Amino acid sequence: SQELEQSPQSLIVQEGKNLTINCTSSKTLYGLYWYKQKYGEGLIFLMMLQKGGEEKSHEKITAKLDEKKQQSSLHITASQPSHAGIYLCGADITGTDKLIFGTGTRLQVFP
Amino acid sequence: ETGVTQTPRHLVMGMTNKKSLKCEQHLGHNAMYWYKQSAKKPLELMFVYSLEERVENNSVPSRFSPECPNSSHLFLHLHTLQPEDSALYLCASSQVFLAGGHTGELFFGEGSRLTVL
Repeated sequence: SQELEQSPQSLIVQEGKNLTINCTSSKTLYGLYWYKQKYGEGLIFLMMLQKGGEEKSHEKITAKLDEKKQQSSLHITASQPSHAGIYLCGADITGTDKLIFGTGTRLQVFP
Repeated sequence: ETGVTQTPRHLVMGMTNKKSLKCEQHLGHNAMYWYKQSAKKPLELMFVYSLEERVENNSVPSRFSPECPNSSHLFLHLHTLQPEDSALYLCASSQVFLAGGHTGELFFGEGSRLTVL
């Protein structure tokens, strides 16, 4: 099994709906990062979480970190077509600042 | 001008060819990374250069050879590749602190899509 699991693998939602993507680590998290990727392009940094219970928001995207569960969730409120893409969580699980990534969640938003 | 620039964006090569991928960062960072992204697999960390020294080499086959001539440039030299090496190769940079740790944010390039025939 992989060290960083994301769920779901893909998501298709209607515009305006809320959605949640989860990221679970099998090891202690020293830092959890969320990125967004358009198909075939580079990753765009969204948010970084380091402390248990930490929650950050950027526009309509909110991410939370549950340190005890070694898990993070990314929540999008009132989704828009511009939210479509692949969402990847990255984690520092060794304390050495080397990030590993999950397989990503492909999000499609239809009108 | 984007922070991290990768060239070429697309590359098709035969198994006997020798080619190179180039990455340039304009952010003043002191660490650079190569990642490989294959379909339905997590991003794989290949190499890390911190302060121009290679600090990570994740059991990458010798047919991939990195080079970091200075803190702004990173190359990935390719030779005698296999079809399974076809993937999107992403370069990233970050700022690491001399005392350890980094800001946490990796800045990625757009990637070089490699196809090996």
